[in-house]
Amino acid sequence: SAVISQKPSRDICQRGTSLTIQCQVDSQVTMMFWYRQQPGQSLTLIATANQGSEATYESGFVIDKFPISRPNLTFSTLTVSNMSPEDSSIYLCSVDSTRGKNIQYFGAGTRLSVL
Amino acid sequence: KNQVEQSPQSLIILEGKNCTLQCNYTVSPFSNLRWYKQDTGRGPVSLTIMTFSENTKSNGRYTATLDADTKQSSLHITASQLSDSASYICVVTIIGTYKYIFGTGTRLKVLA
Repeated sequence: SAVISQKPSRDICQRGTSLTIQCQVDSQVTMMFWYRQQPGQSLTLIATANQGSEATYESGFVIDKFPISRPNLTFSTLTVSNMSPEDSSIYLCSVDSTRGKNIQYFGAGTRLSVL
Repeated sequence: KNQVEQSPQSLIILEGKNCTLQCNYTVSPFSNLRWYKQDTGRGPVSLTIMTFSENTKSNGRYTATLDADTKQSSLHITASQLSDSASYICVVTIIGTYKYIFGTGTRLKVLA
């Protein structure tokens, strides 16, 4: 299995500021995924992050708003920029298992509230 | 349009009882279907994963079924426990991609 550490676990931020969320995995993985889960909703994929290349963003998400870094095979960051109350959500980091088990592992999530 | 719909949206049962959660999908081409359990304040945790050729998979008290012809899946929980209180999410993967289509989940509450 993969153990994912995500920080911070929660934060309360002011409108217009930015927050960087960190995701650390205990093993090397090719692809890391960032999701958003709004209250009472399901998970929505923001982007896929491969090491050594630009992240691939889903429709409705742009790099200027959600810049992602992937400096190595065990670490990634997601920044929520110029925040507004509509960005209040849970942000989750995820990886697919290696070794062909086809299991997806998630971090505990970052609960963000924007005032 | 690729969609995953779950029912019921929420469910309350008494401890010890069984329950069944439903998942209907229109995702194509289908690769696999997963059920996740998400405790409040935590990330989802995988319960089962089934490919096209599998029609049942068990994980302890959790048993998932899949009918690929009707594009339906169910998750049956036997002898429920208080710790089963969580959201249960059905996820379908598009073949050859990392595209996961998430259902909106069923929120289960088990009462003593």
